[in-house]
Amino acid sequence: DQQVKQNSPSLSVQEGRISILNCDYTNSMFDYFLWYKKYPAEGPTFLISISSIKDKNEDGRFTVFLNKSAKHLSLHIVPSQPGDSAVYFCARISNFGNEKLTFGTGTRLTIIP
Amino acid sequence: NAGVMQNPRHLVRRRGQEARLRCSPMKGHSHVYWYRQLPEEGLKFMVYLQKENIIDESGMPKERFSAEFPKEGPSILRIQQVVRGDSAAYFCASTETKAGGYTFGSGTRLTVV
Repeated sequence: DQQVKQNSPSLSVQEGRISILNCDYTNSMFDYFLWYKKYPAEGPTFLISISSIKDKNEDGRFTVFLNKSAKHLSLHIVPSQPGDSAVYFCARISNFGNEKLTFGTGTRLTIIP
Repeated sequence: NAGVMQNPRHLVRRRGQEARLRCSPMKGHSHVYWYRQLPEEGLKFMVYLQKENIIDESGMPKERFSAEFPKEGPSILRIQQVVRGDSAAYFCASTETKAGGYTFGSGTRLTVV
Protein backbone atom coordinates (compact mmCIF):
# COMPACT_ATOMS: atom_id res chain seq x y z
CA ASP A 1 0.00 0.00 0.00
CA GLN A 2 1.56 3.26 -1.13
CA GLN A 3 1.07 6.06 1.37
CA VAL A 4 2.07 9.63 2.07
CA LYS A 5 2.06 11.01 5.60
CA GLN A 6 2.07 14.58 6.83
CA ASN A 7 2.75 14.47 10.56
CA SER A 8 2.35 18.17 11.32
CA PRO A 9 -1.29 19.28 11.18
CA SER A 10 -0.37 22.95 11.51
CA LEU A 11 2.54 25.36 11.18
CA SER A 12 2.87 29.09 11.91
CA VAL A 13 5.61 31.17 10.30
CA GLN A 14 6.48 34.85 10.42
CA GLU A 15 6.01 36.76 7.19
CA GLY A 16 9.28 36.95 5.25
CA ARG A 17 10.72 33.82 6.86
CA ILE A 18 11.03 30.36 5.34
CA SER A 19 8.16 27.89 5.61
CA ILE A 20 9.11 24.20 5.52
CA LEU A 21 6.39 21.60 5.09
CA ASN A 22 7.24 17.93 5.40
CA CYS A 23 5.94 14.67 4.03
CA ASP A 24 7.02 11.02 4.39
CA TYR A 25 6.20 8.23 1.98
CA THR A 26 6.40 4.47 1.59
CA ASN A 27 7.20 2.09 -1.23
CA SER A 28 8.15 4.39 -4.09
CA MET A 29 9.46 3.04 -7.35
CA PHE A 30 8.69 5.38 -10.23
CA ASP A 31 6.31 7.84 -8.63
CA TYR A 32 5.91 11.56 -8.96
CA PHE A 33 5.34 13.63 -5.84
CA LEU A 34 3.22 16.76 -5.90
CA TRP A 35 2.26 19.59 -3.59
CA TYR A 36 -1.19 21.13 -3.66
CA LYS A 37 -2.44 24.25 -1.93
CA LYS A 38 -6.02 24.54 -0.76
CA TYR A 39 -7.97 27.56 0.44
CA PRO A 40 -11.24 27.09 2.36
CA ALA A 41 -14.25 26.34 0.17
CA GLU A 42 -12.05 25.85 -2.90
CA GLY A 43 -10.54 22.88 -4.66
CA PRO A 44 -6.82 22.06 -4.41
CA THR A 45 -4.55 23.87 -6.84
CA PHE A 46 -1.30 22.41 -8.09
CA LEU A 47 1.90 24.04 -6.83
CA ILE A 48 4.94 22.03 -7.77
CA SER A 49 6.00 18.45 -8.45
CA ILE A 50 9.12 16.32 -8.49
CA SER A 51 9.98 13.06 -10.17
CA SER A 52 11.35 10.29 -7.99
CA ILE A 53 14.56 10.35 -10.06
CA LYS A 54 15.34 13.94 -9.02
CA ASP A 55 16.47 15.52 -5.76
CA LYS A 56 15.19 19.05 -6.16
CA ASN A 57 12.79 21.14 -8.19
CA GLU A 58 12.44 24.88 -7.93
CA ASP A 59 9.75 27.28 -9.13
CA GLY A 60 10.00 30.85 -7.93
CA ARG A 61 9.51 30.98 -4.16
CA PHE A 62 8.73 27.26 -4.01
CA THR A 63 11.32 24.49 -3.86
CA VAL A 64 10.65 20.81 -3.30
CA PHE A 65 13.39 18.52 -2.01
CA LEU A 66 13.31 14.73 -2.25
CA ASN A 67 15.42 12.59 0.08
CA LYS A 68 15.07 9.09 -1.32
CA SER A 69 17.11 7.32 1.36
CA ALA A 70 14.89 8.79 4.08
CA LYS A 71 11.71 8.53 1.96
CA HIS A 72 11.04 12.15 2.78
CA LEU A 73 10.07 15.21 0.80
CA SER A 74 9.76 18.81 1.85
CA LEU A 75 8.34 22.00 0.42
CA HIS A 76 10.21 25.23 1.12
CA ILE A 77 8.50 28.58 0.64
CA VAL A 78 10.74 31.60 0.87
CA PRO A 79 10.00 34.33 1.59
CA SER A 80 6.62 33.46 3.11
CA GLN A 81 3.76 35.82 2.34
CA PRO A 82 0.32 36.25 3.94
CA GLY A 83 -1.33 34.82 0.83
CA ASP A 84 0.51 31.56 1.46
CA SER A 85 -1.77 30.86 4.42
CA ALA A 86 -3.66 27.73 3.33
CA VAL A 87 -3.71 23.96 3.77
CA TYR A 88 -0.92 22.18 1.91
CA PHE A 89 -1.25 18.59 0.77
CA CYS A 90 1.50 16.37 -0.49
CA ALA A 91 0.42 13.71 -2.96
CA ARG A 92 1.91 10.96 -5.07
CA ILE A 93 1.00 9.56 -8.44
CA SER A 94 2.26 6.45 -10.19
CA ASN A 95 4.22 6.81 -13.38
CA PHE A 96 1.90 4.26 -14.87
CA GLY A 97 -1.56 2.97 -14.11
CA ASN A 98 -4.69 5.02 -13.82
CA GLU A 99 -2.92 8.11 -12.48
CA LYS A 100 -4.98 8.49 -9.32
CA LEU A 101 -3.53 10.74 -6.66
CA THR A 102 -2.85 9.58 -3.10
CA PHE A 103 -2.97 12.52 -0.69
CA GLY A 104 -1.56 13.17 2.76
CA THR A 105 -3.80 14.61 5.47
CA GLY A 106 -2.55 18.16 5.00
CA THR A 107 -0.70 20.83 6.97
CA ARG A 108 -2.40 24.13 7.74
CA LEU A 109 0.14 26.93 7.22
CA THR A 110 -0.50 30.29 8.85
CA ILE A 111 1.71 33.22 7.94
CA ILE A 112 1.87 35.78 10.70
CA PRO A 113 2.16 39.38 9.45
CA ASN B 1 -12.18 28.41 -20.93
CA ALA B 2 -14.03 27.74 -17.73
CA GLY B 3 -12.43 25.46 -15.18
CA VAL B 4 -13.94 22.32 -13.73
CA MET B 5 -17.49 23.18 -12.69
CA GLN B 6 -19.17 21.39 -9.84
CA ASN B 7 -22.71 21.91 -8.70
CA PRO B 8 -24.32 22.36 -6.40
CA ARG B 9 -21.70 23.97 -4.15
CA HIS B 10 -23.67 23.03 -1.06
CA LEU B 11 -26.20 20.23 -0.72
CA VAL B 12 -28.25 19.33 2.33
CA ARG B 13 -30.05 16.02 2.43
CA ARG B 14 -32.01 14.18 5.11
CA ARG B 15 -30.99 10.66 5.99
CA GLY B 16 -32.38 8.21 3.44
CA GLN B 17 -32.61 10.70 0.57
CA GLU B 18 -30.57 10.62 -2.62
CA ALA B 19 -27.73 13.02 -3.41
CA ARG B 20 -26.67 13.84 -6.96
CA LEU B 21 -23.41 15.67 -7.49
CA ARG B 22 -22.51 17.00 -10.92
CA CYS B 23 -19.14 17.70 -12.49
CA SER B 24 -18.48 19.33 -15.85
CA PRO B 25 -14.83 18.83 -16.79
CA MET B 26 -12.72 21.42 -18.54
CA LYS B 27 -13.35 21.67 -22.26
CA GLY B 28 -11.43 18.96 -24.07
CA HIS B 29 -10.83 16.91 -20.93
CA SER B 30 -12.07 13.34 -21.19
CA HIS B 31 -10.78 11.92 -17.90
CA VAL B 32 -12.70 12.59 -14.69
CA TYR B 33 -11.79 11.66 -11.12
CA TRP B 34 -13.89 11.95 -7.97
CA TYR B 35 -12.34 12.43 -4.53
CA ARG B 36 -13.92 12.72 -1.10
CA GLN B 37 -12.56 14.74 1.81
CA LEU B 38 -13.91 13.86 5.22
CA PRO B 39 -13.47 16.46 8.01
CA GLU B 40 -9.83 16.81 9.12
CA GLU B 41 -8.63 14.31 6.51
CA GLY B 42 -6.95 14.39 3.13
CA LEU B 43 -8.66 13.75 -0.16
CA LYS B 44 -9.38 10.10 -0.86
CA PHE B 45 -9.75 8.70 -4.38
CA MET B 46 -13.17 7.30 -5.21
CA VAL B 47 -13.53 6.66 -8.93
CA TYR B 48 -11.90 7.34 -12.31
CA LEU B 49 -14.04 7.62 -15.42
CA GLN B 50 -13.63 8.28 -19.11
CA LYS B 51 -16.51 9.02 -21.42
CA GLU B 52 -19.06 6.21 -20.97
CA ASN B 53 -16.57 4.03 -19.09
CA ILE B 54 -15.66 3.42 -15.46
CA ILE B 55 -11.93 2.76 -15.43
CA ASP B 56 -11.28 2.35 -11.70
CA GLU B 57 -13.87 2.39 -8.91
CA SER B 58 -11.66 0.83 -6.27
CA GLY B 59 -12.15 3.75 -3.87
CA MET B 60 -15.91 3.82 -4.04
CA PRO B 61 -18.06 2.16 -1.36
CA LYS B 62 -19.65 -0.96 -2.80
CA GLU B 63 -23.18 -0.01 -1.84
CA ARG B 64 -25.26 3.14 -2.35
CA PHE B 65 -22.58 4.93 -4.44
CA SER B 66 -22.46 5.04 -8.23
CA ALA B 67 -20.84 7.23 -10.85
CA GLU B 68 -21.26 7.84 -14.53
CA PHE B 69 -19.76 10.01 -17.26
CA PRO B 70 -22.12 9.88 -20.23
CA LYS B 71 -21.26 10.72 -23.80
CA GLU B 72 -23.10 14.01 -23.43
CA GLY B 73 -23.38 16.00 -20.24
CA PRO B 74 -21.61 16.13 -16.91
CA SER B 75 -20.26 13.35 -14.77
CA ILE B 76 -22.65 12.39 -11.97
CA LEU B 77 -21.79 10.99 -8.56
CA ARG B 78 -24.91 9.51 -7.03
CA ILE B 79 -25.35 8.55 -3.40
CA GLN B 80 -28.52 6.68 -2.54
CA GLN B 81 -30.06 6.51 0.95
CA VAL B 82 -27.53 8.95 2.42
CA VAL B 83 -26.31 8.53 5.99
CA ARG B 84 -24.60 11.03 8.33
CA GLY B 85 -21.20 9.52 7.53
CA ASP B 86 -21.58 10.62 3.89
CA SER B 87 -21.24 14.26 4.99
CA ALA B 88 -18.05 15.45 3.32
CA ALA B 89 -16.64 17.61 0.57
CA TYR B 90 -16.67 15.87 -2.79
CA PHE B 91 -14.16 17.08 -5.37
CA CYS B 92 -14.01 16.36 -9.05
CA ALA B 93 -10.86 16.69 -11.15
CA SER B 94 -10.33 16.38 -14.87
CA THR B 95 -7.36 15.83 -17.15
CA GLU B 96 -6.89 15.97 -20.91
CA THR B 97 -4.69 12.91 -21.14
CA LYS B 98 -3.98 10.01 -18.88
CA ALA B 99 -0.76 11.62 -17.70
CA GLY B 100 -1.97 15.19 -17.81
CA GLY B 101 -2.11 17.65 -14.98
CA TYR B 102 -5.19 17.63 -12.79
CA THR B 103 -7.57 20.55 -12.52
CA PHE B 104 -9.88 20.38 -9.52
CA GLY B 105 -13.32 21.86 -9.14
CA SER B 106 -14.36 23.84 -6.08
CA GLY B 107 -16.20 20.88 -4.63
CA THR B 108 -19.67 20.05 -3.39
CA ARG B 109 -20.17 20.12 0.35
CA LEU B 110 -22.73 17.50 1.28
CA THR B 111 -24.38 17.73 4.68
CA VAL B 112 -26.67 14.93 5.81
CA VAL B 113 -29.06 15.89 8.59
